[in-house]
Amino acid sequence: NAGVTQTPKFQVLKTGQSMTLQCAQDMNHNSMYWYRQDPGMGLRLIYYSASEGTTDKGEVPNGYNVSRLNKREFSLRLESAAPSQTSVYFCASRPTVFSYNEQFFGPGTRLTVL
Amino acid sequence: AQTVTQSQPEMSVQEAETVTLSCTYDTSESDYYLFWYKQPPSRQMILVIRQEAYKQQNATENRFSVNFQKAAKSFSLKISDSQLGDAAMYFCAYSQGGSEKLVFGKGTKLTVNP
Repeated sequence: NAGVTQTPKFQVLKTGQSMTLQCAQDMNHNSMYWYRQDPGMGLRLIYYSASEGTTDKGEVPNGYNVSRLNKREFSLRLESAAPSQTSVYFCASRPTVFSYNEQFFGPGTRLTVL
Repeated sequence: AQTVTQSQPEMSVQEAETVTLSCTYDTSESDYYLFWYKQPPSRQMILVIRQEAYKQQNATENRFSVNFQKAAKSFSLKISDSQLGDAAMYFCAYSQGGSEKLVFGKGTKLTVNP
């Protein structure tokens, strides 16, 4: 199993450009998540999807959109990138809705917006 | 809203010694779960240990153990016989029972000195 994979690993954008971060998991997990990690801020939840076909906002959703394409894939889109969106982005998945289950994380995408 | 506080931005320990990382959380719920995640320089988030709030016994995983004080809302991580590979950022996280969301603290950077 590859676990949770993310593409790309690094990306540099100019202000106003758009891009989509891709995430896929091969563990047949129901729930998937997008986080951003900023220095001194820990991980903050952007959006999550409890099951295929559903998405919900997290703590910091402004400026982002998501798509749960199927059970395996959950993408994050920046429509018009801003320097404030410079961050490391993590995708995660979890088997079920039970809260004792750990979340499994991808390797992260480092995004720089100039 | 639930919050997680890690009051030690940085800690250091000598190899083979013991170190304790602090975490406090704020919740009015009785059903919740607590986690410690490790993030080495590779950026990969790795679960270290988890604790169910309804369990009185402190969780242990090899050299890692927790001191869970429910009344004080404290969840500290003890690393025994520290190894160079333990050097990483450590994040404390909280999940309310039945919730999809995981709330992270801001992290503690652990340095292990040879």
